[in-house]
Amino acid sequence: KAGVTQTPRYLIKTRGQQVTLSCSPISGHRSVSWYQQTPGQGLQFLFEYFSETQRNKGNFPGRFSGRQFSNSRSEMNVSTLELGDSALYLCASSLRTRVGREKLFFGSGTQLSVL
Amino acid sequence: SQQGEEDPQALSIQEGENATMNCSYKTSINNLQWYRQNSGRGLVHLILIRSNEREKHSGRLRVTLDTSKKSSSLLITASRAADTASYFCATDAASLITQGGSEKLVFGKGTKLTVNP
Repeated sequence: KAGVTQTPRYLIKTRGQQVTLSCSPISGHRSVSWYQQTPGQGLQFLFEYFSETQRNKGNFPGRFSGRQFSNSRSEMNVSTLELGDSALYLCASSLRTRVGREKLFFGSGTQLSVL
Repeated sequence: SQQGEEDPQALSIQEGENATMNCSYKTSINNLQWYRQNSGRGLVHLILIRSNEREKHSGRLRVTLDTSKKSSSLLITASRAADTASYFCATDAASLITQGGSEKLVFGKGTKLTVNP
């Protein structure tokens, strides 16, 4: 079974631009969660999608948004990029929602650099 | 904000020694998980321990959970250079304000373990 696939692996953008990151979960997994990882703040929960519905959301501004498609693939979008958005963005999938009770499978992440 | 806090922040040991990492958390939990991350890569699930369990083993890993102290420890026995990585504890935190009340997994800031050959 293929693992969680995130694309692209690296991305360089400038302030003010927008970016879209993609995540393909493990086949059969219906829950996708997104995390932002920075050296200062660690891993911060962004949001979780299950069956195309956002089930939970972290404390991030509205510039951060996401969606999930009927095949469980997910995208997250960051508009009007700021320097502080530079981070490793990680996607994780699990079989079911209620992810606190589930083992998460992570992708390798997208390293976003905002210049 | 982080639910779990790992201690120590960094740990350096020699191959063959045991490594112990601790995690403290703030609120009641259903489960606690430990993950490992090699530099700049995704996290890999190591072990999940439920709130009604006190100890769990998986290969060279031993996890304990003390819900009265709101703490957990991860012990890696007979460490190897390949164990060099960051280790994170993660706890579930029921959200009371989002529709559906879906839980999320909240991570600590991790312990960076270096195993010297």
